[in-house]
Amino acid sequence: ETGVTQTPRHLVMGMTNKKSLKCEQHLGHNAMYWYKQSAKKPLELMFVYSLEERVENNSVPSRFSPECPNSSHLFLHLHTLQPEDSALYLCASSPGLAGGPTDTQYFGPGTRLTVL
Amino acid sequence: GQNIDQPTEMTATEGAIVQINCTYQTSGFNGLFWYQQHAGEAPTFLSYNVLDGLEEKGRFSSFLSRSKGYSYLLLKELQMKDSASYLCAVSDSNYQLIWGAGTKLIIKP
Repeated sequence: ETGVTQTPRHLVMGMTNKKSLKCEQHLGHNAMYWYKQSAKKPLELMFVYSLEERVENNSVPSRFSPECPNSSHLFLHLHTLQPEDSALYLCASSPGLAGGPTDTQYFGPGTRLTVL
Repeated sequence: GQNIDQPTEMTATEGAIVQINCTYQTSGFNGLFWYQQHAGEAPTFLSYNVLDGLEEKGRFSSFLSRSKGYSYLLLKELQMKDSASYLCAVSDSNYQLIWGAGTKLIIKP
């Protein structure tokens, strides 16, 4: 039990679909992150939220849209994705505020996304 | 640019010792992390080094040399459950985490 849950665990979608990924952390942390993990590549940081405010967007295409309604929940809304967006999408949280001294990050199990 | 290098894959025998190396070139340094990730699961924290030297935690140890831009993770008395990917990540001068691609460790009986 990592304290960070993600749903769904697997998702298959067509390029014209709209779907959302959900992340919930039960650890009382202040920062939350979305990462993309592709095979044999480093983790790619997509978005960072600190106290529900977005503090970083690493030039992610607009077909990915994050939402952080409160400090415990994080969503990633997907629309008109491309096959190259197929990957494992990981959510993480950390105790401190993003942009400060690096905390240990706690990860969820990820959503395996396949875009047809 | 910033770069983290670690071997793509390593194989070791149950009961043996294995050392996974990580070299880095980053703009500044605020610590180095090792994470373990079993297939289909979340990465989990193993260790954090910010000063030179060896940190031991049970069967796992992590070493850091800041002058050489080098770290290693040492796993002793290998068990089958240690089969996983091991991710190296460095916190740079802006406290951004720079990640390596991970080392897949295969343990054979």
